[in-house]
Amino acid sequence: KAGVTQTPRYLIKTRGQQVTLSCSPISGHRSVSWYQQTPGQGLQFLFEYFSETQRNKGNFPGRFSGRQFSNSRSEMNVSTLELGDSALYLCASSRPSGGARYNEQFFGPGTRLTVL
Amino acid sequence: GNSVTQMEGPVTLSEEAFLTINCTYTATGYPSLFWYVQYPGEGLQLLLKATKADDKGSNKGFEATYRKETTSFHLEKGSVQVSDSAVYFCALSESTGNQFYFGTGTSLTVIP
Repeated sequence: KAGVTQTPRYLIKTRGQQVTLSCSPISGHRSVSWYQQTPGQGLQFLFEYFSETQRNKGNFPGRFSGRQFSNSRSEMNVSTLELGDSALYLCASSRPSGGARYNEQFFGPGTRLTVL
Repeated sequence: GNSVTQMEGPVTLSEEAFLTINCTYTATGYPSLFWYVQYPGEGLQLLLKATKADDKGSNKGFEATYRKETTSFHLEKGSVQVSDSAVYFCALSESTGNQFYFGTGTSLTVIP
């Protein structure tokens, strides 16, 4: 079974540009979450999508947005890039089970974004 | 609100040494607790979990016990190997919803 895939793996942009990152979840997984990982802040939750709807959202500015398609693939977009947006962006998928107290998240390898 | 605090690294140990990485949490409800591991250049992998108080999660020689009275979930291993070198993250998930809260990570280097 293929794991979570993220494209591209590496990206270099300049301030003010926008960027779109893509995540393909494990087959059958309908929930996709996005995280930003930086050395100073660790892993911070961006948002979660389930059945094409944003279900949870972290404390990030509106420049960060996302969407999910009917095949559960997800994209996140960052507009007007700032130097501080340089980070590893991780996507995680899970298959919510009715009645389960938690849903194990499976992570992709991440997209390394560098903003110059 | 929910948060996770784990000991800062980096941690450097000799092979076969005992490992403890401290993790404490703050939660509004009854969370599930996790340890994830991240090897260089890879995403996070679930190492072990515990879903209720006094549960012990274990995997690959690592153990952690869910202590509600001290709001802790410390990671331990009796004898580390070079291959255990990685970054370890403590995390919690609320009893409802699918949002995870992670600690800042602890980098472990094991030297031969």
